[in-house]
Amino acid sequence: QQQVKQSPQSLIVQKGGIPIINCAYENTAFDYFPWYQQFPGKGPALLIAIRPDVSEKKEGRFTISFNKSAKQFSLHIMDSQPGDSATYFCAASKATGNQFYFGTGTSLTVIP
Amino acid sequence: GAGVSQSPRYKVAKRGQDVALRCDPISGHVSLFWYQQALGQGPEFLTYFQNEAQLDKSGLPSDRFFAERPEGSVSTLKIQRTQQEDSAVYLCASSLDTGVSVEAFFGQGTRLTVV
Repeated sequence: QQQVKQSPQSLIVQKGGIPIINCAYENTAFDYFPWYQQFPGKGPALLIAIRPDVSEKKEGRFTISFNKSAKQFSLHIMDSQPGDSATYFCAASKATGNQFYFGTGTSLTVIP
Repeated sequence: GAGVSQSPRYKVAKRGQDVALRCDPISGHVSLFWYQQALGQGPEFLTYFQNEAQLDKSGLPSDRFFAERPEGSVSTLKIQRTQQEDSAVYLCASSLDTGVSVEAFFGQGTRLTVV
């Protein structure tokens, strides 16, 4: 059973566009929600993370929006660039647990 | 080193062969995780170490999979009698603190192909 559901599977945007990737979860024990960026042949790298006590977090061009009541969170990439082309994974974890639960990934392509 | 280092980067094994995958975490990192990533999928948890103690091995798919971290630093994931379904990228991650609600740093992974 997929603990974190991610959509869309793939996304193509023009340079300067704002791709949005969505994730949903069921387990209310989750208390940490990171987003990872993965380039081909590389391991995932932490992009930005949020905890449920805030509804939005911004770091540079990357913003997480978090809706605790709906159990959904999303990643927005402002002014997207071709260098942002990668696979993005949302994840969730709980303080009492030992693992991240990853979404299935979104392949983003930013066209110049 | 500056990051998590995994070796080998690529491994081709004949079905039935045993393999050992190595992970060098960031120096001083207490927590170490192993994940399996199938093609086009997100990483799936295998096991977790806090220093040398293996606290969670609930994700290991069968008793053919074994992991150790004897001195609390380098870890080895061993797969015995490899099967085709074991083909995947095996990722190691480490974090400074205990638990998972902190930043984890991933290595580049070992791509295992079983033929």
